[in-house]
Amino acid sequence: AQKITQTQPGMFVQEKEAVTLDCTYDTSDQSYGLFWYKQPSSGEMIFLIYQGSYDEQNATEGRYSLNFQKARKSANLVISASQLGDSAMYFCAMREANNAGNMLTFGGGTRLMVKP
Amino acid sequence: KAGVTQTPRYLIKTRGQQVTLSCSPISGHRSVSWYQQTPGQGLQFLFEYFSETQRNKGNFPGRFSGRQFSNSRSEMNVSTLELGDSALYLCASSLRLVAGALRYNEQFFGPGTRLTVL
Repeated sequence: AQKITQTQPGMFVQEKEAVTLDCTYDTSDQSYGLFWYKQPSSGEMIFLIYQGSYDEQNATEGRYSLNFQKARKSANLVISASQLGDSAMYFCAMREANNAGNMLTFGGGTRLMVKP
Repeated sequence: KAGVTQTPRYLIKTRGQQVTLSCSPISGHRSVSWYQQTPGQGLQFLFEYFSETQRNKGNFPGRFSGRQFSNSRSEMNVSTLELGDSALYLCASSLRLVAGALRYNEQFFGPGTRLTVL
């Protein structure tokens, strides 16, 4: 079974509108961390936001927020006020406590395209 | 503060050859992880090094190997290249090795090395 599932291969959003990118995960660990990364065409992975499994509040970082629903095992990324520079691939990733070190498991990604 | 650097950025090899990729982490970072990104398999974890020791390994054949030097720089080697090894190889550095996911530990990625095997 896929550990991280991103069901939207591609999405369009109008500039200045908000967009939600979906992510569901599967783990038997009680302790885990969820990450979102942005990958522009240049290839570099840029960290956006982090949510720990025991964090009670949803994480926010500027225009990025994470809608964490633990019971549903979902960690959707919300980007408010989309900008043209937000056009990129977005990856959801998970680190599980039972894995040694910093190993991340990634989803298949969502390509976001912002329309002017 | 300089970011993670990877060399070379682009590489073309032929089947059967071997290749060595290099990653220099952010100064002070002691953990280096490697990932392979392909259109078909997505992003997959290769291995992680911390203090010159391999701490974790993904599900890749023995042709993929790595090492870390005392200055935390890391190299990965792929021997007997196959067409399917064509990929973007990403390196990520972290300050520490995390014990449990409760503790946040950001990973900074480099720009990657794009390997093409002909």
